[in-house]
Amino acid sequence: QKEVEQNSGPLSVPEGAIASLNCTYSDRVSQSFFWYRQYSGKSPELIMSIYSNGDKEDGRFTAQLNKASQYVSLLIRDSQPSDSATYLCAVNAVDSNYQLIWGAGTKLIIKP
Amino acid sequence: DTGVSQDPRHKITKRGQNVTFRCDPISEHNRLYWYRQTLGQGPEFLTYFQNEAQLEKSRLLSDRFSAERPKGSFSTLEIQRTEQGDSAMYLCASSQGGDPYGYTFGSGTRLTVV
Repeated sequence: QKEVEQNSGPLSVPEGAIASLNCTYSDRVSQSFFWYRQYSGKSPELIMSIYSNGDKEDGRFTAQLNKASQYVSLLIRDSQPSDSATYLCAVNAVDSNYQLIWGAGTKLIIKP
Repeated sequence: DTGVSQDPRHKITKRGQNVTFRCDPISEHNRLYWYRQTLGQGPEFLTYFQNEAQLEKSRLLSDRFSAERPKGSFSTLEIQRTEQGDSAMYLCASSQGGDPYGYTFGSGTRLTVV
């Protein structure tokens, strides 16, 4: 089992709808969780971080964390074509100096 | 430009040659990371510096890879005797003490070994 798992997609969502991206992780002691967006040919950029169970909202983005289920998700409301990208989930590596362990990413396509 | 700079953006080299990449982090960031990313995969950790000290190196990294960060400023990543399997995007990221996981990535160096 991979340490961080994501559905590779592509996930196709109509413009204006809610996009829901999911991530599961295997390390029970992970404390820090991150969502990065990566456009094709570009480097990842940080969208959201979440450290506590529950929801965290930032504009159109909401991160949800459930440590008991080892599950973190990202919701994008009012999806725009510019949201089309690969979304990478990352989790802190335990017993390491701020190293992140990454999922392979989910490709999101917003259809106009 | 106050972002993370990487040079070169692209490198094509013949198998067996040595290559060196450079990363200039954000000036106030004391942490610097090198990751490698292949198509369809997430970044894979290579090594980590805090100031000039290399504190961690991936077990996946062979002896052909070496990295330095003299004086805690820019960093270089050298790959000796390149192999086709080294073809990837090499990403540098930096972060600061108050937000150690808040990586800022550079644009990356795409290496193609032919």
